[in-house]
Amino acid sequence: EAGVTQSPTHLIKTRGQQVTLRCSPISGHTSVYWYQQALGLGLQFLLWYDEGEERNRGNFPPRFSGRQFPNYSSELNVNALELEDSALYLCASSFLAGGIDYTDTQYFGPGTRLTVL
Amino acid sequence: KNEVEQSPQNLTAQEGEFITINCSYSVGISALHWLQQHPGGGIVSLFMLSSGKKKHGRLIATINIQEKHSSLHITASHPRDSAVYICAVSRLGGADGLTFGKGTHLIIQP
Repeated sequence: EAGVTQSPTHLIKTRGQQVTLRCSPISGHTSVYWYQQALGLGLQFLLWYDEGEERNRGNFPPRFSGRQFPNYSSELNVNALELEDSALYLCASSFLAGGIDYTDTQYFGPGTRLTVL
Repeated sequence: KNEVEQSPQNLTAQEGEFITINCSYSVGISALHWLQQHPGGGIVSLFMLSSGKKKHGRLIATINIQEKHSSLHITASHPRDSAVYICAVSRLGGADGLTFGKGTHLIIQP
């Protein structure tokens, strides 16, 4: 069974540009999470989508946004890129057997490494 | 103060040693996760636990809900265990994004 996939693997952009990152969850998983791992800051929660809806977002500005498609794949969009957006962006998926009120194991993709110059 | 604290930050040990990594948290949780991250970034979920103890191969994870503390143990450590080990929690109230500790960088020398 294929794991979580992300594209692209690496990306270089300049300040002010916009970027779209993509994630395909494990087949059957309806929840997708986005995380940012910036150097020195550790992993931080960005966004959570389930069944096509944004369920929660972390402490990030509105220029970080995304969506989930009917096939449960997801996009993360970052507008007006800043130097501090340089990071590894990780997507994870989960099958919430008990519904959204109960947590479950998250399976991580390989990440997209974004460099902003 | 971070909501999830790990210790030690860095650990170097010899092959075969018994390894313990500790995690303390200050929020109400529905589950605690132990993750492994290798160089290059890939993250693997090792355990999700809400009580007691779980074992998988040479890895053992325990949690004490009353004390808000968890430990990850590695028996008979091997150089291939070298990685960053990250403790993360799922807060009470649902299947929300995880809150992470800063990780423990483990090096096992042959």
